[in-house]
Amino acid sequence: DVKVTQSSRYLVKRTGEKVFLECVQDMDHENMFWYRQDPGLGLRLIYFSYDVKMKEKGDIPEGYSVSREKKERFSLILESASTNQTSMYLCASTIRRGDGYTFGSGTRLTIV
Amino acid sequence: KNQVEQSPQSLIILEGKNCTLQCNYTVSPFSNLRWYKQDTGRGPVSLTIMTFSENTKSNGRYTATLDADTKQSSLHITASQLSDSASYICVVSGYNFNKFYFGSGTKLNVKP
Repeated sequence: DVKVTQSSRYLVKRTGEKVFLECVQDMDHENMFWYRQDPGLGLRLIYFSYDVKMKEKGDIPEGYSVSREKKERFSLILESASTNQTSMYLCASTIRRGDGYTFGSGTRLTIV
Repeated sequence: KNQVEQSPQSLIILEGKNCTLQCNYTVSPFSNLRWYKQDTGRGPVSLTIMTFSENTKSNGRYTATLDADTKQSSLHITASQLSDSASYICVVSGYNFNKFYFGSGTKLNVKP
């Protein structure tokens, strides 16, 4: 089975900090995604990548950036964390465009 | 506007009972529809995927139906178990394979 591993289950950071969320998949998937999930809003796409060093903005990219230096790793960066970025962050990957996602377990991020 | 609406928002049923969750969508053109199960504090896990030509698909006690003409899908859970307590998310893929539209989910609570 494909595994998508997110480095932290829970994270607490301070306002203004630069925050890194890491995601690693072990099955050579081309496509990787970052979502945030908030009550009543469902999952919203932040960024995605379909190849190394490639990235595309999703629906809510403001305040975030990403890095994909290696195929298996996709990092989400909060440049200067703010309290409205407190959320559950989910990483996902697919082997091909249009395939179903394999999700990581999520990172519950709290900005104080 | 491409949207996915799920109902009910939440549902409480007794163990052993059946239930049906609804998903209506306006995504067009349509590629496929997936149902995911998300346990509290975990990432979503795929239950079923249905394409335009499929009406019904089963995965154990879970049966999904799709009416592409009316743009409606349902997820039927038979003989519910306590472990079915989770959020169920309907995800519709449009023509752009990296564009997925998420419903806000139905939170199911199965009580003993």
